[in-house]
Amino acid sequence: GAVVSQHPSRVICKSGTSVKIECRSLDFQATTMFWYRQFPKQSLMLMATSNEGSKATYEQGVEKDKFLINHASLTLSTLTVTSAHPEDSSFYICSARWPGFNEQFFGPGTRLTVL
Amino acid sequence: AQRVTQPEKLLSVFKGAPVELKCNYSYSGSPELFWYVQYSRQRLQLLLRHISRESIKGFTADLNKGETSFHLKKPFAQEEDSAMYYCALSPNNAGNMLTFGGGTRLMVKP
Repeated sequence: GAVVSQHPSRVICKSGTSVKIECRSLDFQATTMFWYRQFPKQSLMLMATSNEGSKATYEQGVEKDKFLINHASLTLSTLTVTSAHPEDSSFYICSARWPGFNEQFFGPGTRLTVL
Repeated sequence: AQRVTQPEKLLSVFKGAPVELKCNYSYSGSPELFWYVQYSRQRLQLLLRHISRESIKGFTADLNKGETSFHLKKPFAQEEDSAMYYCALSPNNAGNMLTFGGGTRLMVKP
């Protein structure tokens, strides 16, 4: 149990386009999901906390209009990188919080490359 | 704001040798501390957390509030322990929001 999937696993897009990344909890309902960003050889940086049915909470320095988060159901959160630029190229990882257990389960990550 | 520091980016040991991956944190309250592991080409997964006081795969970690440390230890390293290890902190009552350290790559040589 406690499996989190991400789709797509990798995406290449042109500068100026928007890219949507999906995060799904496959066998449990997650009221809270998290989005992280990881640059090569660096640690995970929390971008935002995604709350089902309400607005996401963004970390300082993360542009909410650039990184749109939608958590419309208890099993799905989406991250849309709008008007992507090469500096947005990174590894994006989501996690879902197992309710009541204070534990996060991580997705496999999505590698975004913006040309 | 909280901060997690892992001073070693790379730790290389021989099989059977003891291992200690260091983690120091700064936080004014009472945090919850975790160790996550990422094996090659796999996703991040929880190794252990300080409140459970368990030994997982031979690893242990003790929270030292005086030194604000949560070092990960194993008496005899195995080759399959080679992976990336991340120390993480969750502030008390913060809905499990995690702050990660920079990570330490452990290489266990045969």
